[in-house]
Amino acid sequence: EPEVTQTPSHQVTQMGQEVILRCVPISNHLYFYWYRQILGQKVEFLVSFYNNEISEKSEIFDDQFSVERPDGSNFTLKIRSTKLEDSAMYFCAGGLSYNSPLHFGNGTRLTVT
Amino acid sequence: QQPVQSPQAVILREGEDAVINCSSSKALYSVHWYRQKHGEAPVFLMILLKGGEQKGHEKISASFNEKKQQSSLYLTASQLSYSGTYFCGTEFWEGSNYKLTFGKGTLLTVNP
Repeated sequence: EPEVTQTPSHQVTQMGQEVILRCVPISNHLYFYWYRQILGQKVEFLVSFYNNEISEKSEIFDDQFSVERPDGSNFTLKIRSTKLEDSAMYFCAGGLSYNSPLHFGNGTRLTVT
Repeated sequence: QQPVQSPQAVILREGEDAVINCSSSKALYSVHWYRQKHGEAPVFLMILLKGGEQKGHEKISASFNEKKQQSSLYLTASQLSYSGTYFCGTEFWEGSNYKLTFGKGTLLTVNP
């Protein structure tokens, strides 16, 4: 069964550094999402992406964040200047359409020191 | 905008039943249910479209009351493997897009 792949599984970075989180969605999915989950808390929506552009973003997704799908397969989340409060598990998810199940990747645990 | 889940946590003995509720202030297009085990990604359980349908998945079923914008997840004859955090996701139209947001989750613990 196809799955969503995220790399790296764990990233440690210093405050102020840039990080890029990578995701390879399932090939026939058209809608892509990034969510984050601070330890022990709920899954929070960051951004949705469709047709090579952002379709929706949350208030968390400020100017420090950006997403790209540079080559039609990889889907990346960049955080330009990380803060301590960015430490969380970041999940990539994809779906065929609205109303379709989301398939989540296994997540990247980001630790900002 | 996020849905409200209740209860926050529930502890069961194997074989007991539980109900998890999810309510929204938005006019919903669909409700999703996911289960997340500790340290893992959320896994899709089921999706309910507006129309008040009920769905089932093994001994786990759910209903969606479109008029009340509420959904309930029913776990019957619980098994140890049901332990985890259950999230509802509510999908609604806002602006020019559909939006899917998750509740805070309900931690279910099933003990032998």
